[in-house]
Amino acid sequence: GQQLNQSPQSMFIQEGEDVSMNCTSSSIFNTWLWYKQDPGEGPVLLIALYKAGELTSNGRLTAQFGITRKDSFLNISASIPSDVGIYFCAGHGYNKLIFGAGTRLAVHP
Amino acid sequence: DVKVTQSSRYLVKRTGEKVFLECVQDMDHENMFWYRQDPGLGLRLIYFSYDVKMKEKGDIPEGYSVSREKKERFSLILESASTNQTSMYLCASGGSAGREAFFGQGTRLTVV
Repeated sequence: GQQLNQSPQSMFIQEGEDVSMNCTSSSIFNTWLWYKQDPGEGPVLLIALYKAGELTSNGRLTAQFGITRKDSFLNISASIPSDVGIYFCAGHGYNKLIFGAGTRLAVHP
Repeated sequence: DVKVTQSSRYLVKRTGEKVFLECVQDMDHENMFWYRQDPGLGLRLIYFSYDVKMKEKGDIPEGYSVSREKKERFSLILESASTNQTSMYLCASGGSAGREAFFGQGTRLTVV
């Protein structure tokens, strides 16, 4: 089935470093969504983006909706140990909700 | 506070049993989705529904069926559970215009 191209697949960083991950698609979406999933839990919505070019922040997280509507990125600044988890991007359109494969983030104290 | 609630966090069922996984949302969303999540395979769409009594197959519908009799409730049915259906099952709901979508807490199903 259709899946977004999310990279990197995994990251292992030092506490305090900044992190960047991105998603690309061959399709256009109305909305880009970024989620974080902790082990054994459902994904939790972090940021929602609704307009091409939109840049939105949520605390140390910043995400952007690409101008072409086919890509998005998520930045995490000054990472902390509780940032550990899997981050998913998703494109949401009319009756479609498509996910990337996820970026697994590990933060070394 | 938006809510998507799955009926069970953990389930253990025997091979051949009929299994019902329930999902309820309180956001008046048109769209509801069922995914399964397995290590290394990401989130795979089983079925989705865009309206009451409407359903569409996702990428891996074999061995599953769904029911949406009311807008707020979307049920996933394993007609005859098999061990290869052991997985984490995730329900999500979202508006039809493609705004936010929210997940339930997940159901870890083990078929023995």
